Order: sequence, then structure tokens, then C-alpha cells
Amino acid sequence: EAQVTQNPRYLITVTGKKLTVTCSQNMNHEYMSWYRQDPGLGLRQIYYSMNVEVTDKGDVPEGYKVSRKEKRNFPLILESPSPNQTSLYFCASSLKAGQAFFGQGTRLTVV
Amino acid sequence: AQSVTQLGSHVSVSEGALVLLRCNYSSSVPPYLFWYVQYPNQGLQLLLKYTSAATLVKGINGFEAEFKKSETSFHLTKPSAHMSDAAEYFCAVTWGYSSASKIIFGSGTRLSIRP
Repeated sequence: EAQVTQNPRYLITVTGKKLTVTCSQNMNHEYMSWYRQDPGLGLRQIYYSMNVEVTDKGDVPEGYKVSRKEKRNFPLILESPSPNQTSLYFCASSLKAGQAFFGQGTRLTVV
Repeated sequence: AQSVTQLGSHVSVSEGALVLLRCNYSSSVPPYLFWYVQYPNQGLQLLLKYTSAATLVKGINGFEAEFKKSETSFHLTKPSAHMSDAAEYFCAVTWGYSSASKIIFGSGTRLSIRP
């Protein structure tokens, strides 16, 4: 089954404690991206990757890092989380423009 | 700047009634247009897409949308709402057809269905 898998689904952490949200896809897609979803703001792109070792900033990259060492994996790293990064995060991969496959989401709370 | 606007953050209809969710985009260049649906505690799923073929596009679960270039709109409709249609709906646009073309999402419309 074609899918994008994110872990964990839920995470509560404290300010400043580094964390990683993993994302893996089994569709051999080259393009992957991370979004955050906040009420009234829709989805905003954090980072994207066009292929292995090729990443670039989206609209709201501050406070986040990513890596793309393998085609299937695209982890999101928060080196020093802050409360304003409390949000719902989605990983997505796509083969054709606009036709993205989304993970189930990770609800992050930073206290 | 290119943008997409969804009118109404919350729409409530009775079961069996017409569903109409509005989406407008701003661009002089016709985009590729999409509707995504997000059920509670799930990720987004593609509902339907417009990629410059037929202007009336049919999607899953009885939804359809019509691309109107003169109105820069891509409104989503369903003739008869079901309780299972309760979800959040996102309109999205992109202006290129490679996988890397940036997708811009609207702010979403939450659809509630009254029994």
C-alpha cells in the first residue's frame, strides 16, 4: 500500500529539548516536503526536497532543519523547540504537481 | 503575489442539502487546481484535480468542481450532503506541472452536517 508514515503521531516536549520527527514514503517519489498546519492559516510549507541531498527552505523555515540522505526518508529536526512551534505537522511526497500524498500528521506541543 | 482564498472558514448544511465550498485564486496565468479533504485526526487526501482538460471535474464521494477562468474560481459542490462528508476541505493551486512545483493551500473550510 502506497503510504507516507510519520512518527510520532503525538509529542509533548519542553522548550529547548531537541527532537526529530521522522517521515518515510514507499512510493519512490523524488519530491518531499514538510508543512505545519495552524488554525486559520491552512498549511504552510517549512522545507522541501527535490531529491537526495537537495533541500530548500519553504515559507516558514526558521527553527527547523531537514536532511535527505535517502530517497525514502525526510526527517524534520527541531534543534531547540519553542512554544510557537506547537502545531500539527505533515510530511508529504509527490510524483506529479499538486498531487501530494500526506502522512497522518504529528501533533507537537512545546511547553 | 499568487494566492488562493477560501470564502468561509466554516460551512454548515443539513443532511441531503447542497454543499458549496468556495475557492478563488489570484493569477493571470491559469493554474492547476486541487481540492483536498482532511477527516478528523488524518492527513489530507486528494479529492479532485483540474489540470487544463475538462473544466468540470468529478472527484471521489460524489464531489465535483468547476473551473471558471473568467471568475478565477474553482468551487466545490455536492448535490446531497452525507454525515460522512463532515471534514475540513482545502483548495490548493500550483502553477507548474513538475513534482517540485510549489503548492499553495487555502486556509481551509470546515464542513459540518446537521442531521
